[in-house]
Amino acid sequence: EVHLVESGGVVEQPGGSLRLSCVASGFSFDDYGMHWVRQAPGKSLEWVSFISWDGSRLRYADSVRGRFTISRDNSKNSLYLEMNSLRAEDTAFYYCAKDRSGGSYLDYWGQGSLVTVSS
Amino acid sequence: SYVLTQPPSVSEAPGKTARITCGGNKIGSKSVHWYQQKPGQAPLLVIYNDDDRPSGIPERLSGSNSGNTATLTISRVEAGDEADYYCQVWDTTSDHVVFGGGTKLTVL
Repeated sequence: EVHLVESGGVVEQPGGSLRLSCVASGFSFDDYGMHWVRQAPGKSLEWVSFISWDGSRLRYADSVRGRFTISRDNSKNSLYLEMNSLRAEDTAFYYCAKDRSGGSYLDYWGQGSLVTVSS
Repeated sequence: SYVLTQPPSVSEAPGKTARITCGGNKIGSKSVHWYQQKPGQAPLLVIYNDDDRPSGIPERLSGSNSGNTATLTISRVEAGDEADYYCQVWDTTSDHVVFGGGTKLTVL
């Protein structure tokens, strides 16, 4: 059974930094691309970033490009999101999700980690 | 960038058929995927590649896609279907995932 467990969500001040982690199990992690998707409280889903199975292909939403960095460690079955220059509008639940085939749909999702940016 | 448009809300009585649309420019040429999200839960994939269902998703849920509109159809609506539904495509031009704004299905 596929499991994705996010961690690292905290309350951070504007301009601050933090790193989210997602540990995967139940599938061959190094065979699949992974995504981060966020959802502000009461709002719609917003795709944030994608990383291919080997880390060679990285994609970012315009709203986070230059501030967020996605990475992975296949030896640890782990996905990361480094978040810098945080803004109030980055406040959201952040979900990691497994990609089915490198540019298709997100077939499994974690339960999310809440990031709050506030002074 | 590619835009997907969904109605904010759809209401239907139990036992009836609910249809949730997702509009986009020539969306019929893309593969559309649908997610269900209940309050306090993560999204759940319910339809992929226009009209395929993951295992465990009831046959009452189906999808179609043509022209400028994709549709999620929920037959014999049940109280348990009440949720937010999101459509999604992969925009090959920008190489980004795109979500629709979501539709709240209310079961009357």
